[in-house]
Amino acid sequence: QKEVEQDPGPLSVPEGAIVSLNCTYSNSAFQYFMWYRQYSRKGPELLMYTYSSGNKEDGRFTAQVDKSSKYISLFIRDSQPSDSATYLCAMRVNNAGNMLTFGGGTRLMVKP
Amino acid sequence: DVKVTQSSRYLVKRTGEKVFLECVQDMDHENMFWYRQDPGLGLRLIYFSYDVKMKEKGDIPEGYSVSREKKERFSLILESASTNQTSMYLCASSFIPPGPANHNEQFFGPGTRLTVL
Repeated sequence: QKEVEQDPGPLSVPEGAIVSLNCTYSNSAFQYFMWYRQYSRKGPELLMYTYSSGNKEDGRFTAQVDKSSKYISLFIRDSQPSDSATYLCAMRVNNAGNMLTFGGGTRLMVKP
Repeated sequence: DVKVTQSSRYLVKRTGEKVFLECVQDMDHENMFWYRQDPGLGLRLIYFSYDVKMKEKGDIPEGYSVSREKKERFSLILESASTNQTSMYLCASSFIPPGPANHNEQFFGPGTRLTVL
């Protein structure tokens, strides 16, 4: 079993829909949770991060962490065609230097 | 603006060839990483370096080596390329934060798509 699981998709939604992207993980020591967005033929870019449990909101994006269930989510409100990309969750334990563990990525397509 | 560049976007090599992938960052970051990205497997760490001439194995180092002679440059070497090394290779860098409580963003290059025939 992989340490971080993520549905590969593709997930296809109409413009304006609310999108929910999720990851589950097995290592209870993970403390930092990140979402990277990767456009086609580009490297990943950090979209959001959260520390420990709770929610974090940034514009149309909300990141949620439920450590008791080992489950993290990224919600996108009012999705736009420009949100079409692959979304990768990543996480790391505290005091682990810079080692990140990535999920496999979910490909999202937002249709106009 | 932060920048990580990789020497080639696309590369085609033959089995058995020695392959060099170069990565340069202009942010004075201490840490540099090499990942490979395959469909459904996400990013898997090959090697990383936290200082000049220092290197640590990642999750899948077999068949690869690295070189870091200068702080800004991190090279990935495939000593004898094989078809199962056909993949997207991504380089990343990050700085060492002053304390442990930091998400410590990694900045990625655009990737090199390597095909080994």
